[in-house]
Amino acid sequence: EDQVTQSPEALRLQEGESSSLNCSYTVSGLRGLFWYRQDPGKGPEFLFTLYSAGEEKEKERLKATLTKKESFLHITAPKPEDSATYLCAVRASEGTYKYIFGTGTRLKVLA
Amino acid sequence: EAGVTQFPSHSVIEKGQTVTLRCDPISGHDNLYWYRRVMGKEIKFLLHFVKESKQDESGMPNNRFLAERTGGTYSTLKVQPAELEDSGVYFCASSQDGEGSHGYTFGSGTRLTVV
Repeated sequence: EDQVTQSPEALRLQEGESSSLNCSYTVSGLRGLFWYRQDPGKGPEFLFTLYSAGEEKEKERLKATLTKKESFLHITAPKPEDSATYLCAVRASEGTYKYIFGTGTRLKVLA
Repeated sequence: EAGVTQFPSHSVIEKGQTVTLRCDPISGHDNLYWYRRVMGKEIKFLLHFVKESKQDESGMPNNRFLAERTGGTYSTLKVQPAELEDSGVYFCASSQDGEGSHGYTFGSGTRLTVV
């Protein structure tokens, strides 16, 4: 069964304290891994798409990487405005465009 | 560019009643998706439209849920009759291409509470 597991569930960082969020996946055939950010009361906001092992994408203080079993979202020198829930999703089977989401990591960055 | 609009933002109904949720996608986006998040669980896929056609409805929980997208523009999701376990946040998303290489644009969701 296709599955996505995110860890940790919650993370508190001091401003400037770099860290990484993990997304482990088990799918029959990966057709894309997606990172989203979600703020309270809002819908998920797209960050990155990764397709193959070794691929990396960067945006401001965020960097996403992908291996054959997991993806990491590295946050460098975070700021309080980076506080949000970060969601990982995969698209697996051919012929469908549905996402399988993880439960997310709630990140809180303290000033 | 206007985003994906969903309404109502909140709805509280009694068990057995009917509720209709509406989603207005970004203009020109042929692909429209419905997802929901039940309390404490992950966001789960419900269905996918391409224009007015249902491409994939494998996530629809049962026949109390009916989704339509007349004319390939806005979409509605009707729950009839509502049950307690239908409570959650219903998200709509749209994209220009199904591959979603640029991701999907999500609405802010409709929080449905069935009492």
